[in-house]
Amino acid sequence: KAGVTQTPRYLIKTRGQQVTLSCSPISGHRSVSWYQQTPGQGLQFLFEYFSETQRNKGNFPGRFSGRQFSNSRSEMNVSTLELGDSALYLCASSLKTGELFFGEGSRLTVL
Amino acid sequence: GQSLEQPSEVTAVEGAIVQINCTYQTSGFYGLSWYQQHDGGAPTFLSYNALDGLEETGRFSSFLSRSDSYGYLLLQELQMKDSASYFCAVGGSQGNLIFGKGTKLSVKP
Repeated sequence: KAGVTQTPRYLIKTRGQQVTLSCSPISGHRSVSWYQQTPGQGLQFLFEYFSETQRNKGNFPGRFSGRQFSNSRSEMNVSTLELGDSALYLCASSLKTGELFFGEGSRLTVL
Repeated sequence: GQSLEQPSEVTAVEGAIVQINCTYQTSGFYGLSWYQQHDGGAPTFLSYNALDGLEETGRFSSFLSRSDSYGYLLLQELQMKDSASYFCAVGGSQGNLIFGKGTKLSVKP
């Protein structure tokens, strides 16, 4: 069974640009969540989607948005990038409470 | 809101036993999860406790006491490959997980 796939793995952007990250969950998993990981803040919850509906959202500004498609694939978008947005963005899919399967992440560098 | 506390670093020797503690504050508790993350890698699921008591999976065990809002991860017969960061996490009110800051475990020969 294929795992969670995230693209792109690495990307470099400049301040003010926007970025879209993609996530394909494990087949059959309808819950997809996104996390931002930085050395100082650890893993911070961005949002969770289930059957195309955003079920919960973390404490991030409106520049961070996401969506989920009918095939459970998900995208997240960050607009007007800031230096502080440099981080590893992790997507996870889930079938059971408490058990997340993470992708390898998209490492974003903002210059 | 939710918050979790766990030690930032732990050091142990090969073959030893180490316990990583986690205390939490949360509204709407669903369970306590543990994840392992090696440097440069993705977090991987280790265990989930929804009820009080000890769950054992090979060399790893996880414990939960809901009355004390406390849990721990116990690693036995430590190996060098166990050097990694370990995160506890609690379920939020709608299925999302809130993670602790992580405990960096260093296993020495």
